[in-house]
Amino acid sequence: DAGVTQSPTHLIKTRGQQVTLRCSPKSGHDTVSWYQQALGQGPQFIFQYYEEEERQRGNFPDRFSGHQFPNYSSELNVNALLLGDSALYLCASSAGFFTEAFFGQGTRLTVV
Amino acid sequence: GIQVEQSPPDLILQEGANSTLRCNFSDSVNNLQWFHQNPWGQLINLFYIPSGTKQNGRLSATTVATERYSLLYISSSQTTDSGVYFCAVELRSGQNFVFGPGTRLSVLP
Repeated sequence: DAGVTQSPTHLIKTRGQQVTLRCSPKSGHDTVSWYQQALGQGPQFIFQYYEEEERQRGNFPDRFSGHQFPNYSSELNVNALLLGDSALYLCASSAGFFTEAFFGQGTRLTVV
Repeated sequence: GIQVEQSPPDLILQEGANSTLRCNFSDSVNNLQWFHQNPWGQLINLFYIPSGTKQNGRLSATTVATERYSLLYISSSQTTDSGVYFCAVELRSGQNFVFGPGTRLSVLP
């Protein structure tokens, strides 16, 4: 079992650009959530996808959008990048709700 | 929204020492997990423990849901235990994970 995999592991983008991050959930999992972790802080919830729909959303602007595919993999898109978007982006998967969640290794995004 | 507090914020131990990390939360939860974040950012699952007590080797955890707290015990600490320990809770209303601020543990040889 490969666990939760994210790509790329590192990314450097210029302010104003757009970025797409990818996540493949753990085998047997159908729910994917995305988190942003700024340096020295705990992860903050961005949104959750289930059955290809956004089920819940945290306090993030519309510049952050996502998608879930029929194979349960997911993408996180961020438009009009700001310097403050520099962070570690974590993907978590679970089998439905209120079950044990597993995290990927993260994508470290740097906006310059 | 729910408040999740962790204590202590920082902890420095000598190898071989024992420690207790605490997580307090302000509302009823359906899920509670403890994670260890390694220096490369990976969140490693330690315990899925919405209630009760579990043990895994040198680590154990207890959650008292009615009193809204959870404890993580680390015995005979090793240098590889260093890192940040997070408690994360999931509300009954399904607000997804809310993380505490973490406890930064440093184990010295």
